[in-house]
Amino acid sequence: DQQVKQNSPSLSVQEGRISILNCDYTNSMFDYFLWYKKYPAEGPTFLISISSIKDKNEDGRFTVFLNKSAKHLSLHIVPSQPGDSAVYFCAASFSGGGADGLTFGKGTHLIIQP
Amino acid sequence: DGGITQSPKYLFRKEGQNVTLSCEQNLNHDAMYWYRQDPGQGLRLIYYSQIVNDFQKGDIAEGYSVSREKKESFPLTVTSAQKNPTAFYLCASSFGQGVSEQYFGPGTRLTVT
Repeated sequence: DQQVKQNSPSLSVQEGRISILNCDYTNSMFDYFLWYKKYPAEGPTFLISISSIKDKNEDGRFTVFLNKSAKHLSLHIVPSQPGDSAVYFCAASFSGGGADGLTFGKGTHLIIQP
Repeated sequence: DGGITQSPKYLFRKEGQNVTLSCEQNLNHDAMYWYRQDPGQGLRLIYYSQIVNDFQKGDIAEGYSVSREKKESFPLTVTSAQKNPTAFYLCASSFGQGVSEQYFGPGTRLTVT
């Protein structure tokens, strides 16, 4: 059973608009969440993270929102730029840090259109 | 420059052969990890090591083996027992203590025919 789900395999957004990528999780023991960006044939690059004690974390154009009661998190990218086109993975971990490994969703392919 | 290196980028092997993928980091991280990615799938954890000379199985460890003799190195051996070895393999590392994101290497594409 998938514990981290990204239900949209792909998302197309116009340049300059907001991109919203969604992620749901089923295991209430997860307490740390991360977003990674990945280009083909490369390793994922860390973008932003959020601890379960917060409901929002912001870093430049990237904001992650966490709704623990709904077991849902989202990544907002504003404004979207052509270089943002990539696959975005949501990941979750136990015990505050991922020392035991991360559980990943299947990814959402974000396409920024000019 | 600090980072994680994986070699080679592309690897081809015949079925029935064992193959070892290299992973080295100079970030002074305690923890290291191996993941596998298949098309249209997320990353799945194969093995991880929180400290030298110790490692744990991940979700899909069958057919794989690892060693952690040095802090900087965490090689992965794909054995002939792995039924579907063709995949993109990613190594990662982290400080392993408290809240700590994982940093990934560039990956190795293994093709077994």
